[in-house]
Amino acid sequence: DAGVIQSPRHEVTEMGQEVTLRCKPISGHDYLFWYRQTMMRGLELLIYFNNNVPIDDSGMPEDRFSAKMPNASFSTLKIQPSEPRDSAVYFCASSRDRVYNEQFFGPGTRLTVL
Amino acid sequence: GENVEQHPSTLSVQEGDSAVIKCTYSDSASNYFPWYKQELGKRPQLIIDIRSNVGEKKDQRIAVTLNKTAKHFSLHITETQPEDSAVYFCAASRANAGKSTFGDGTTLTVKP
Repeated sequence: DAGVIQSPRHEVTEMGQEVTLRCKPISGHDYLFWYRQTMMRGLELLIYFNNNVPIDDSGMPEDRFSAKMPNASFSTLKIQPSEPRDSAVYFCASSRDRVYNEQFFGPGTRLTVL
Repeated sequence: GENVEQHPSTLSVQEGDSAVIKCTYSDSASNYFPWYKQELGKRPQLIIDIRSNVGEKKDQRIAVTLNKTAKHFSLHITETQPEDSAVYFCAASRANAGKSTFGDGTTLTVKP
């Protein structure tokens, strides 16, 4: 398996623009997580899905952020409109087991909002 | 919800010395405790984990201990090498929660 795939790897955009990050989890993994990592706030869980259904979105910072998982092999995280403080590395991760949930992380998307 | 505290935030050791990172958790129902290593510019990757029915687990130079009564667990790295330099995250997971709560990370620097 190729592992968790994320695109794009780097994104530079201007304030106010819409940003869409994409993730393909490992086949057979029922859980998908979106994290944001910054120096100041560390690794934050934004939202996670189980069998394509959002389970906990309490980490989503505000209404500008939204996430979808239309099928088992694809998820998106959208920011609209983007702001400079959204600049961070966004990781997608997937896991198979509900109890002993080793998470496999994607390579991340480095987002810069100017 | 679960709260995980990790100490120290930074740790510097000489090559060959041992390093210990400690974490405490708040939810007594947590039963899975993974440790992730993140090298500079890379993704976090699992290096070792421990389940609540075990007190200690070892894998070559790394080991993890768990004290359920005190609700804390620790990562031990012996004979450190420069390639051990990275950020280490502990995490705790409650049975059937499906997610892990991460600590804030420890930046380990191993000086040659």
